[in-house]
Amino acid sequence: DVKVTQSSRYLVKRTGEKVFLECVQDMDHENMFWYRQDPGLGLRLIYFSYDVKMKEKGDIPEGYSVSREKKERFSLILESASTNQTSMYLCASSLGRGKLFFGSGTQLSVL
Amino acid sequence: AQTVTQSQPEMSVQEAETVTLSCTYDTSESNYYLFWYKQPPSRQMILVIRQEAYKQQNATENRFSVNFQKAAKSFSLKISDSQLGDTAMYFCAFMKHLWTASKLTFGTGTRLQVTL
Repeated sequence: DVKVTQSSRYLVKRTGEKVFLECVQDMDHENMFWYRQDPGLGLRLIYFSYDVKMKEKGDIPEGYSVSREKKERFSLILESASTNQTSMYLCASSLGRGKLFFGSGTQLSVL
Repeated sequence: AQTVTQSQPEMSVQEAETVTLSCTYDTSESNYYLFWYKQPPSRQMILVIRQEAYKQQNATENRFSVNFQKAAKSFSLKISDSQLGDTAMYFCAFMKHLWTASKLTFGTGTRLQVTL
């Protein structure tokens, strides 16, 4: 069975901390994504990667960066966490044609 | 840029009944894909159904079917014989036809509650 694993289900951080959200997929997918989910706003794309070491900005990249050193792992980095980055973060991977496989999400609270 | 609009934030349906979730979109593309994704309380989103814009026939997956009206830019999801396990957030999504990296634009979601 296909699997996308996010390292934490819940995370609490302080303002100004550097935060790493990790995502691992076991399906050998080339494409990986980080979305942010907020009530009333749906899912918004932060960054995506279509190959190792390749990345492209999504719709809301400000305040975030990503790293993809290995095909199976895609990390989202909050360089200096702020309260407006409190949100649900969803990682996904895909082989194409719009079928995304999602992780269970990380609910991040920045205090 | 594409936009996807879901105008029903919440809906409720009784078990075994039929419910229709609405979605409209705006695009200047002629070929594209449309999707419905389901997010149950476990939070893990799964693909429910996919429609290719160049196909006239509406997609169907068991109890789930769509009503795709290309001219009206409308893409509604019909759930027949609703079950308690259908309780979830449902997201409509759009993808450009040639975007093989599967970059999707999502709507704001509709929370569906199935009751006894």
